[in-house]
Amino acid sequence: EAGVVQSPRYKIIEKKQPVAFWCNPISGHNTLYWYLQNLGQGPELLIRYENEEAVDDSQLPKDRFSAERLKGVDSTLKIQPAELGDSAVYLCASSPLAGAGSYNEQFFGPGTRLTVL
Amino acid sequence: QKEVEQNSGPLSVPEGAIASLNCTYSDRVSQSFFWYRQYSGKSPELIMSIYSNGDKEDGRFTAQLNKASQYVSLLIRDSQPSDSATYLCAVNNRDDKIIFGKGTRLHILP
Repeated sequence: EAGVVQSPRYKIIEKKQPVAFWCNPISGHNTLYWYLQNLGQGPELLIRYENEEAVDDSQLPKDRFSAERLKGVDSTLKIQPAELGDSAVYLCASSPLAGAGSYNEQFFGPGTRLTVL
Repeated sequence: QKEVEQNSGPLSVPEGAIASLNCTYSDRVSQSFFWYRQYSGKSPELIMSIYSNGDKEDGRFTAQLNKASQYVSLLIRDSQPSDSATYLCAVNNRDDKIIFGKGTRLHILP
């Protein structure tokens, strides 16, 4: 079974530039998460999707961050404009359907390491 | 009080010994508890989930949950150098959001 796929793996941009990250979850997983992880910290949730619906975006800085999950499969996270403080690893995770005996068990992709100069 | 607390370490354990990693959480209604392993430069990998009080064993790993004390732990028996990593505790809160601790760095000494 293929895991969560993310691209790009690394991205270096100058501040004020836009950037986008892409995620393809594990086949059949209806829940998709975007996290931000800084060095020495645990992942922090940015947004959670149940199928196409964003059910928790309370931690997403909506002035500069946006996300979409068209057709309930792939997802894109965008930052525009990027700031120096956005440098971090952006992780995508997916989990199976709630109630299937593995509720909230999340499987992470390799992440995208963003550096804003 | 932070929602999920872990000692940041590093925790140094001799090879072959038992490594004990601890985690406390603040939300009494939490129902789902997870341990993730994260190697340097890699993404978190799920190693254990536990939902009921008591112990759950999987190979060399044992998760222990005590909801009354709001405490969850991970024991690694016969520790190997390959177990050296950061171990993240994760707990769902009353909003059903998974909250991660900062992780404990574990060093297995050859």
